[in-house]
Amino acid sequence: DIVVTQSPDSLAVSLGERATINCKSSQSVLYSSNNKNYLAWYQQKPGQPPKLLISWASTRESGVPDRFSGSGSGTDFTLTISSLQAEDVAVYYCHQYYVPPRTFGQGTKLDIK
Amino acid sequence: EVQVVQSGAEVKKPGESLKISCKGSGYSFTNYWVGWVRQMPGKGLEWMGIINPADSDTRYSPSFQGQVTFSVDRSISTAYLQWSSLKASDTAMYYCARQEGGGLLDDWGQGTLVTVSS
Repeated sequence: DIVVTQSPDSLAVSLGERATINCKSSQSVLYSSNNKNYLAWYQQKPGQPPKLLISWASTRESGVPDRFSGSGSGTDFTLTISSLQAEDVAVYYCHQYYVPPRTFGQGTKLDIK
Repeated sequence: EVQVVQSGAEVKKPGESLKISCKGSGYSFTNYWVGWVRQMPGKGLEWMGIINPADSDTRYSPSFQGQVTFSVDRSISTAYLQWSSLKASDTAMYYCARQEGGGLLDDWGQGTLVTVSS
C-alpha cells in the first residue's frame, strides 16, 4: 500500500498569513503516460463531509478561492493557503488515488493563532 | 446538479445486521463508480473500497475485505454498504462519494453515523 504522510499534524497561523501543509507519499503517484499526479487535497470542517479542493496535485476545483493552491510532483506535495481566513479553520487531508487501496494522509488540523 | 444523499443515522447492537444507502442524482449513475470511506470518532479518513454500478464490480481495501459488502440497485440509482454482524468497533461515520474517471472522489454524501452499542 502507498503510505501518505502529512506534516505537521497541527498548525496555527495568524489571520492573513500563509499556511503550508506538506504531504509525502511512500511511492510516486505520477503516472508517466499522462504526466498527471494522482494526488488530491480535501478540506473537512466539523460536522461536514470532506470537500474536494485540489485535484491532480494542482488543479483547483470550481468555486474554491484562489488563495488555495497545490504544488509538487512524484512523492512530495504542498497545499498552500496564501492568506488565511477565519473560514479556513478545518482539517486538511491529502489523498492518493493512483492505485488501490487508495489512501489518505492522517490529516492536518489548521487553527487561527 | 450532482447530489449524493445517504440514509439516516443508525443505532444497532453488536451482532445485528445493517444496510445503509447512498443515492446519486443529477448524473448518469452507472457511468461513475461509488466509493465508501470510514471515519471513526475523532479520527481520519479510511478508504474502504469502490463499486461499479454498471456491473457491480467491486474493489475492497484489504482492511475491509470480508468485513463489509457493497451492492447497488441500478433501478433506483442507489449503492449500499452492509454488515452481517456488527461490532462495537464498526461505530463510525460512513461516507459515500462519486468517483470520477481517474479515481478521484469528487462529490460526497453527507455521511451516515453508525453507532453499535449494547
